[in-house]
Amino acid sequence: NAGVTQTPKFQVLKTGQSMTLQCAQDMNHEYMSWYRQDPGMGLRLIHYSVGAGITDQGEVPNGYNVSRSTTEDFPLRLLSAAPSQTSVYFCASSSGTPHEGNIQYFGAGTRLSVL
Amino acid sequence: GQQVMQIPQYQHVQEGEDFTTYCNSSTTLSNIQWYKQRPGGHPVFLIQLVKSGEVKKQKRLTFQFGEAKKNSSLHITATQTTDVGTYFCGGYGQNFVFGPGTRLSVLP
Repeated sequence: NAGVTQTPKFQVLKTGQSMTLQCAQDMNHEYMSWYRQDPGMGLRLIHYSVGAGITDQGEVPNGYNVSRSTTEDFPLRLLSAAPSQTSVYFCASSSGTPHEGNIQYFGAGTRLSVL
Repeated sequence: GQQVMQIPQYQHVQEGEDFTTYCNSSTTLSNIQWYKQRPGGHPVFLIQLVKSGEVKKQKRLTFQFGEAKKNSSLHITATQTTDVGTYFCGGYGQNFVFGPGTRLSVLP
């Protein structure tokens, strides 16, 4: 099994550009989430989904959109990139919600720089 | 809102020394999970604690959950260079929140 796959691994954008970070999992997990990781800030939740067709905002949702049309895929869209969105982005999935004690499996991450 | 803090932020140890990181939540947690992230890597699940006062061991790693379920600790005995990385705790109180992590470096 591939687990959680994120593409691309690296990306450089100019301010104002848009792009989509891809995330796919092959474990048939219902719960998927996006985090950003900044130095000294740990992992902060951007958006999450408890199943296909259902998404909700996390701690830092501004500037990001998500959709969940299938169980496998959970893309993250940056509508108009800003330098403040320079970060490492991780997608994670689990069989159920973390607060119910389910383990989160993380992808390898996307390192994004916005100039 | 719910906050999870970890101390220390950084720890440098000589190989063979012990290491402890502490996780403190502003709210009572129903569970706490620990993850390890190697430099340049992604977080990987280590363990989950659920019960008040619970202690679990994985080889040289000992995890504790406080009696009040608001704090936890990870202790590594006789560190090795393979222990290098950032250790995160995360727990569910009002939401599932990760702490900022403790970055461990081990000098050979």
